[in-house]
Amino acid sequence: SSELTQDPAVSVALGQTVRITCQGDSLRSFYASWYQQKPGQAPVLVIYGENNRPSGIPGRFSASSSGNTASLTITGAQAEDEADYYCNSRDNSLNPPYVFGTGTKVTVL
Amino acid sequence: EVQLVESGGGLAQPGGSLRLSCAASGFTFQSYDMHWVRQAPGKGLEWISYISSGSSTRYYADSVKGRFTISRDNAKKSLHLQMDSLRVDDTAVYYCAGRIWVDGFDVWGQGTMLTVSS
Repeated sequence: SSELTQDPAVSVALGQTVRITCQGDSLRSFYASWYQQKPGQAPVLVIYGENNRPSGIPGRFSASSSGNTASLTITGAQAEDEADYYCNSRDNSLNPPYVFGTGTKVTVL
Repeated sequence: EVQLVESGGGLAQPGGSLRLSCAASGFTFQSYDMHWVRQAPGKGLEWISYISSGSSTRYYADSVKGRFTISRDNAKKSLHLQMDSLRVDDTAVYYCAGRIWVDGFDVWGQGTMLTVSS
């Protein structure tokens, strides 16, 4: 089965830029989607496709991808961006057909 | 308003069974594939099951294969997860989710908590 690996935690000063990475073989074939989850809440989609934001997601969220690594960048992090972030990808093996990353806790200092 | 509302969680004994449901509204449920995702306490998200719009295709994570069964009733706009042979490590919040308008899980329910304990 495939895996998506993320750094467990990162911190960023208020107003600065932070990049979260996600590594896995499936990312060579599929774009990652990214989810923000705050305590006690359901995940929220923040990025999908090559670099697309659903309606209502601030422009400070962006994504990129290279080889087996996908990245989510928050440019000008705000206090409300403190949350857990998960990547997700399809997988050609269909075993399973979808996989979530291990998650990254983002702390805004 | 697009909405998914899960129900059916609670306390179950190891080896027992429980059925989760997810009521959909605000979109053409019958046209979309649906998923279940779970999250154990303090842990990350785990995708566990998929069902195609017409129920012809179903996938499961290895962790639940052979024990959980996903189903749907398009007439009632509902998604279900029959969980049998429950284990302590099935304890989690269970979310139903859909990839409705974009290539990502853009619609989530609020989650329902399952605790498996004797």
